[in-house]
Amino acid sequence: DVKVTQSSRYLVKRTGEKVFLECVQDMDHENMFWYRQDPGLGLRLIYFSYDVKMKEKGDIPEGYSVSREKKERFSLILESASTNQTSMYLCASCSTDTQYFGPGTRLTVL
Amino acid sequence: GESVGLHLPTLSVQEGDNSIINCAYSNSASDYFIWYKQESGKGPQFIIDIRSNMDKRQGQRVTVLLNKTVKHLSLQIAATQPGDSAVYFCAETIGGGGADGLTFGKGTHLIIQP
Repeated sequence: DVKVTQSSRYLVKRTGEKVFLECVQDMDHENMFWYRQDPGLGLRLIYFSYDVKMKEKGDIPEGYSVSREKKERFSLILESASTNQTSMYLCASCSTDTQYFGPGTRLTVL
Repeated sequence: GESVGLHLPTLSVQEGDNSIINCAYSNSASDYFIWYKQESGKGPQFIIDIRSNMDKRQGQRVTVLLNKTVKHLSLQIAATQPGDSAVYFCAETIGGGGADGLTFGKGTHLIIQP
């Protein structure tokens, strides 16, 4: 079975803090994705990566950056957290077909 | 822009009945579709997928139907159980795979009544 893990289930940070969200997959997938999920807005793509060291902007990249130093790990970085970044963050990975999701990190920015 | 949507935000069914969750998509070029189930506080879980060269695909207690003429996708769950309570949403993509990016619907909340 595909397993995608995220470093934290719940996270509380203060405005202006730098935040790291980590995602690890164990299926040797080339492609990894970061989404945020908000009520009424569904899933929105922040960034994705199709290979180590490669990254592409999604639909809402502003305020975020990513890092893919190893194939199995894709990190989402909030350089200076703001309250409007309070959300559920979901990581996904895929080879060619289905995207498989991690359990999510619920981030609250105070 | 084009989007994937769902007809009903909430669907309530009796335990044991069959459920049908619908999804309308607007991009006629989409050729790969996925249904996900998301339980409260958890990440989306893959249920079943279908490619545009198929009209129907069956899994365990689930069936996905694709009508390309009217751009409609449905998920049928047979003999609904309490564990089926979740939000279900469809996703679509062009290019045949999730690696090319998915467009997600907003979701339908399936409520199972005893």
